Order: sequence, then C-alpha cells, then structure tokens
Amino acid sequence: SQQGEEDPQALSIQEGENATMNCSYKTSINNLQWYRQNSGRGLVHLILIRSNEREKHSGRLRVTLDTSKKSSSLLITASRAADTASYFCATVYLGSSNTGKLIFGQGTTLQVKP
Amino acid sequence: GAVVSQHPSWVICKSGTSVKIECRSLDFQATTMFWYRQFPKQSLMLMATSNEGSKATYEQGVEKDKFLINHASLTLSTLTVTSAHPEDSSFYICSARDHGGPTEAFFGQGTRLTVV
Repeated sequence: SQQGEEDPQALSIQEGENATMNCSYKTSINNLQWYRQNSGRGLVHLILIRSNEREKHSGRLRVTLDTSKKSSSLLITASRAADTASYFCATVYLGSSNTGKLIFGQGTTLQVKP
Repeated sequence: GAVVSQHPSWVICKSGTSVKIECRSLDFQATTMFWYRQFPKQSLMLMATSNEGSKATYEQGVEKDKFLINHASLTLSTLTVTSAHPEDSSFYICSARDHGGPTEAFFGQGTRLTVV
C-alpha cells in the first residue's frame, strides 16, 4: 500500500499546549499536504509543503519536511478547543502530480481539552 | 478557497437499490475529480480518479461495475453505488482540483451512506 503512517494515532492535550503530529511516507513525492477533518465532515486544506522546502508556517501551524527520512511533522502551537479534529497528511507522488492524486496517511485524532 | 458541493450529505437505502452521489465544483472548473471512501475512525482510501469526458481510473481492488463514475462536465462528477449492500455503508468524499489555480484539492462535505 502506498499509504503513509502517522503518529500518534491519538493525542490529548490541554488548551494552550502545543500539539505535534508526525507523518511518514514511502516513495518520492512532489509535495505533501496536511488536512483537517471534523467528525463526519469533509476535509479542509491546511498547508502544502513542496519537496524542495524544509519548513513552512501558516498562523499557528508549522510544518517540516525531511525528504531524506521521508517524514513530515505538523506542529500546532497554543492549541485551542476548536482545534479538536482529525489531522491527515497526504502526499502527491512524483508521476501523479499532473492528476493531483492524493494518498492519505492514517491520521491523528487530536483532542484539546478546555 | 474554492467550493466543492457534494449531495446528498446522507442517504439511507435498501439493499439491492442504487444510490447516486453528486460532486460539483461551484466556482471553478475541475477536469479531474477524485472519489474517496472512509470507514469509521479510518483514513481516506482513494477509489477512483474521475476525468471529464473520459472513463474513470479505478484503484486496485475497486469494482468498476459496482461504483459507476460519470464525469459529464467540467463541474460535475457522479458516483453511483449499484445494487448496494450493507457492506457498502460508508462515508464517501469527493475532491476536485482547480487546474487554473493552486495545487491543493478542495473537498466536498461527504456523503454518509447507510444500506439497510
């Protein structure tokens, strides 16, 4: 399977703490994206990092990419109860970049307690 | 960002009947749309890539005759679950790329299918 792995599978933290999620993938990629999904809903795009980038920021989100280790991390700083959701990494593999086919990781369920 | 509308948001049907799910890009043209399936507490599994004006490309293990995909226009793709059975009950999500815009995909809200 091309699917990547994410850890932890579940994370529970207090409001104000930082949350870090990791994602590993299997083959060379064009880019890696992080999505958020509230329970029973569609996905919302959070951030995209290209294979030639190492770090990217967007508001309280910080994403890193290590292509030598085939891994990425998503850091959410100063978490809020509203950040409670499932977070998925998704990769666009080289060769599929023309179609934009996304392969999703297993996801991390984040619970932020008020 | 761009909006993708998926309809219906939920549907209950009897075993043996067929169900059609629509996915529309509202403010952009999507020559390619994607259909995913998600089981409870699991990740999204790509079922097929839908190309406007041509046959869909199915992932390995996905039954083409079971899950019919039609991408009739640049803004509409449909997924029909034929002769549905309880094991087809799942959350189905579509996504679309704006080929004139950014590279991220925009997702519909999903359809919860329950086959009884």
